[in-house]
Amino acid sequence: EVQLVESGGGLVQPGGSLRLSCAASGFTFSTYWMHWVRQAPGKGLVWVSRIKTDGSSTSYADSVKGRFTISRDNAKNTLYLQMNSLRAEDTAVYFCARGTLVTDYWGQGILVTVSS
Amino acid sequence: DIVMTQSPDSLAVSLGERATINCKSSQSVLYSSNNKNYLGWYQQKPGQPPKLLIYWASIRESGVPDRFSGSGSGTDFTLTISSLQAEDVAVYYCQQYYSTPFTFGQGTKLEIK
Repeated sequence: EVQLVESGGGLVQPGGSLRLSCAASGFTFSTYWMHWVRQAPGKGLVWVSRIKTDGSSTSYADSVKGRFTISRDNAKNTLYLQMNSLRAEDTAVYFCARGTLVTDYWGQGILVTVSS
Repeated sequence: DIVMTQSPDSLAVSLGERATINCKSSQSVLYSSNNKNYLGWYQQKPGQPPKLLIYWASIRESGVPDRFSGSGSGTDFTLTISSLQAEDVAVYYCQQYYSTPFTFGQGTKLEIK
């Protein structure tokens, strides 16, 4: 069974940093591109970032470019999102999801709250 | 960036009736070299992650009931639920994966009339 479990969320002050993790199991992690998607409370889905199977290619939404870094450790079957210079508008549930293009499996999500 | 616009924002349909949700992209998501539309549909119920329903605009994901169907090409797409069931109450999103950023529509909230 495919499982994606996010962790590392919580409350952080504006300007602070946080690193999210997504532990993958039930499939060959190293053969799938992976994504982060976020959803502000009561709002719609916003694609954040994508990383290639071997980590050699990454893409970001303009709203996070230069502040967020996606990475992966295929030996640990884990996806990461390093979030720096956090702003109030980054408050959201962050989902990791599997897929090269369309995303077919999603984690349950982890809440990140940016507030003083 | 490709802007995805869904209509309507909300929809109330009687049980057993047809529900239709539209999605329009600001530029074509049809890739001419393979004649595929880079468009997916997702269903999200409260407190749950999105669930993939349709990909390549019209291919039903494994396990998705056949009352769900997708159609359209280029810039105009439709998700149809042929006979609404109570468990279909959710928010539905379209997403283009033609080019990054992979943008979503704003969502359509589907309720029972």
